[in-house]
Amino acid sequence: TQLLEQSPQFLSIQEGENLTVYCNSSSVFSSLQWYRQEPGEGPVLLVTVVTGGEVKKLKRLTFQFGDARKDSSLHITAAQTGDTGLYLCAGAKRGSTLGRLYFGRGTQLTVWP
Amino acid sequence: NAGVTQTPKFQVLKTGQSMTLQCAQDMNHEYMSWYRQDPGMGLRLIHYSVGAGITDQGEVPNGYNVSRSTTEDFPLRLLSAAPSQTSVYFCASSYSFASRNTEAFFGQGTRLTVV
Repeated sequence: TQLLEQSPQFLSIQEGENLTVYCNSSSVFSSLQWYRQEPGEGPVLLVTVVTGGEVKKLKRLTFQFGDARKDSSLHITAAQTGDTGLYLCAGAKRGSTLGRLYFGRGTQLTVWP
Repeated sequence: NAGVTQTPKFQVLKTGQSMTLQCAQDMNHEYMSWYRQDPGMGLRLIHYSVGAGITDQGEVPNGYNVSRSTTEDFPLRLLSAAPSQTSVYFCASSYSFASRNTEAFFGQGTRLTVV
């Protein structure tokens, strides 16, 4: 059973459209991270959210941590072809080994020109 | 700064062969881990280590061994390769008690095929 459920698993959109990716759990996390992975590479951190209700913006990407720290969302405004990639959420769970992250299965985003 | 260095990048093994995937980091991180990535399955934790001499099992440890003799190195050994171990393997390091930052830094991955 996956501790973090990501949806949707696949997303295929046209350039200029908006999209939201969700990361949900029944567990509480001390922090939640979003990574992006491109083909042939390892995942790279985009953002870490720590406080319940926190919103962080990274250019056209908006990340939100749920008030109860059980879920998170990633919203992309006016998607570009360069946003194509695998987006992974990962959580650090309270009481777990320091450094251990629990990953969702990922959302494969394809943005068409 | 090299970050996390993983070798080899590609490997083909015959069923029953053994091999070691190498991983080294130069960020003085206490926590290191190995994941395998299969289509639709995300990253699954194989083994992890919280410091030299300390290792523990993750979600899918069977068929793999690890050791951590130094802070920098965390090799993954496949004891007797099976086709089910065909996957992309990632080494990652994160967290130091000094920085308390949980960001995970990943190597470039090893694409392993077992025939």
